[in-house]
Amino acid sequence: KQEVTQIPAALSVPEGENLVLNCSFTDSAIYNLQWFRQDPGKGLTSLLLIQSSQREQTSGRLNASLDKSSGRSTLYIAASQPGDSATYLCAVLSGSARQLTFGSGTQLTVLP
Amino acid sequence: KAGVTQTPRYLIKTRGQQVTLSCSPISGHRSVSWYQQTPGQGLQFLFEYFSETQRNKGNFPGRFSGRQFSNSRSEMNVSTLELGDSALYLCASSQTGGDRANVLTFGAGSRLTVL
Repeated sequence: KQEVTQIPAALSVPEGENLVLNCSFTDSAIYNLQWFRQDPGKGLTSLLLIQSSQREQTSGRLNASLDKSSGRSTLYIAASQPGDSATYLCAVLSGSARQLTFGSGTQLTVLP
Repeated sequence: KAGVTQTPRYLIKTRGQQVTLSCSPISGHRSVSWYQQTPGQGLQFLFEYFSETQRNKGNFPGRFSGRQFSNSRSEMNVSTLELGDSALYLCASSQTGGDRANVLTFGAGSRLTVL
């Protein structure tokens, strides 16, 4: 059974800092890995998707890497801004059921 | 291109009632998945529909059911509501081929409160 773990559970940083969010998964047989952002009471916004054959993806100030063999992914956020404050969720698509397994998220607060 | 649309966005029910939630996928997407999000359990997979057939199912009791129509719109139903069913229910759609296969796009969710 796939399990996804995110560390840390919460993170508070001053504006302008670069930061790294971590995600680990137990079964390396994945189709892809996605990073989502969720604002309070809202749905999920997809940030980056890495296919199983890829090593990283970049979008603006965000960079996500994937090391499938070790079951790890990192989300790097450069020059953080207060508007980046949200919960960041990592999810892997795997298994014959093709279902997304989510981590419990990292709640990020960027202080102005 | 319109996104995934879920209705209603908010609803309040009492224990024992039933509820039906609706999801309209992105045009051309034939796969629709449903997820439940609660503070205690996080995001959990409910089921997936493709071409009007349930293709996969998560570990939820039979009170949770769904269906998909020929236009790919999907509904999920929860019968005999319990307090623990209070959650944000998220729907996601994906296309079934090409380089965007297996990429799920989520709707804004339906927030259910059971009193």
